[in-house]
Amino acid sequence: AQSVAQPEDQVNVAEGNPLTVKCTYSVSGNPYLFWYVQYPNRGLQFLLKYITGDNLVKGSYGFEAEFNKSQTSFHLKKPSALVSDSALYFCAVYAGFNRDDKIIFGKGTRLHILP
Amino acid sequence: EAGVAQSPRYKIIEKRQSVAFWCNPISGHATLYWYQQILGQGPKLLIQFQNNGVVDDSQLPKDRFSAERLKGVDSTLKIQPAKLEDSAVYLCASSSELAGPYEQYFGPGTRLTVT
Repeated sequence: AQSVAQPEDQVNVAEGNPLTVKCTYSVSGNPYLFWYVQYPNRGLQFLLKYITGDNLVKGSYGFEAEFNKSQTSFHLKKPSALVSDSALYFCAVYAGFNRDDKIIFGKGTRLHILP
Repeated sequence: EAGVAQSPRYKIIEKRQSVAFWCNPISGHATLYWYQQILGQGPKLLIQFQNNGVVDDSQLPKDRFSAERLKGVDSTLKIQPAKLEDSAVYLCASSSELAGPYEQYFGPGTRLTVT
């Protein structure tokens, strides 16, 4: 069965510093991986996806994520954090090989950027 | 383009009462999803429609939850009767056939409190 883990409930970063939000996954076969962001009282917004190709994927708002097959990780990164990046971030995985496969979301990591 | 619309935004009911949520997806999106997001957890898929047909409802508690998408556009999700553990945010999402399930657009959600 496919699964995704976000080991950190909260990450605190000073504004201007690089940030990393961790995600590991478990899926048989090649995974499709995603990051979504949720701002207060708003729905999830798609940030980026990895399907195939370059291991470094660039997405919205200056975010990027690195797919590491050997470590089964897909960490979200940004070179310089902004206060406006403070939100709840969800990693998700999709296997798509079976009819009943679905996108599985992690429990989320709250990112807090300190001014 | 207009986003996914949901109503109401908030609902408070007593246990054993009934409640219904409405979703209008992005125009032209054939696939519609209902998710349940319990506090501190990631969204969990309840049901997925492709046009007006059900693709996946394996995680829908069918003894109390029901959903329909009669004309392949709007959808309603109903809970009858509600239990305390149904307190959650109910998210509706849609995706186009071109992008597939990899890029879902979420509505703002309906926050349900069952007392």
